[in-house]
Amino acid sequence: AQKVTQAQTEISVVEKEDVTLDCVYETRDTTYYLFWYKQPPSGELVFLIRRNSFDEQNEISGRYSWNFQKSTSSFNFTITASQVVDSAVYFCAHGSGNTGKLIFGQGTTLQVKP
Amino acid sequence: DVKVTQSSRYLVKRTGEKVFLECVQDMDHENMFWYRQDPGLGLRLIYFSYDVKMKEKGDIPEGYSVSREKKERFSLILESASTNQTSMYLCASGGGYTFGSGTRLTVV
Repeated sequence: AQKVTQAQTEISVVEKEDVTLDCVYETRDTTYYLFWYKQPPSGELVFLIRRNSFDEQNEISGRYSWNFQKSTSSFNFTITASQVVDSAVYFCAHGSGNTGKLIFGQGTTLQVKP
Repeated sequence: DVKVTQSSRYLVKRTGEKVFLECVQDMDHENMFWYRQDPGLGLRLIYFSYDVKMKEKGDIPEGYSVSREKKERFSLILESASTNQTSMYLCASGGGYTFGSGTRLTVV
């Protein structure tokens, strides 16, 4: 069965530090998708990125970057020059095919202090 | 702006009550999902639906049922609420991009 592990329960950094959130997954699917979401204190889950299993290219979006490595079954998320507004819970998730049915990791709470 | 709307942000119900959590999407998606979120456990899938009147159990369906009479609306039903169903409930639709704001349910 699929499984997603976010080993870091809580991370605390000072503003402007870089921070990497780890995500390791297990799957027997040939085709799958990996997601990252942000959940600010307001509670809504905000979609950040989706990668499919055939595309191992790293992606950068502003201060956010993602490193997908099938060899280590990892899909890590880095925030460069962190800001207080980045404080949130971040979830990594695995999707089988394109059904939208997701398996989530436990979440990592990121606190960015001024 | 596309939306998934959950009717209540906070709910407090008594043990044994029948509880309805409502979710509406305006994106004409076929797939809709109900998850519950608990600290340290992430989000876990309760039920999903891929078409009107169609439903499938997720990973933790016990104590819950669902209803999908119209494409845009997906209801989660707690037949007899219990304290261990106190949680945050999130609805989603489509391919994983859009979630509702969540309903924080407390059963006392």
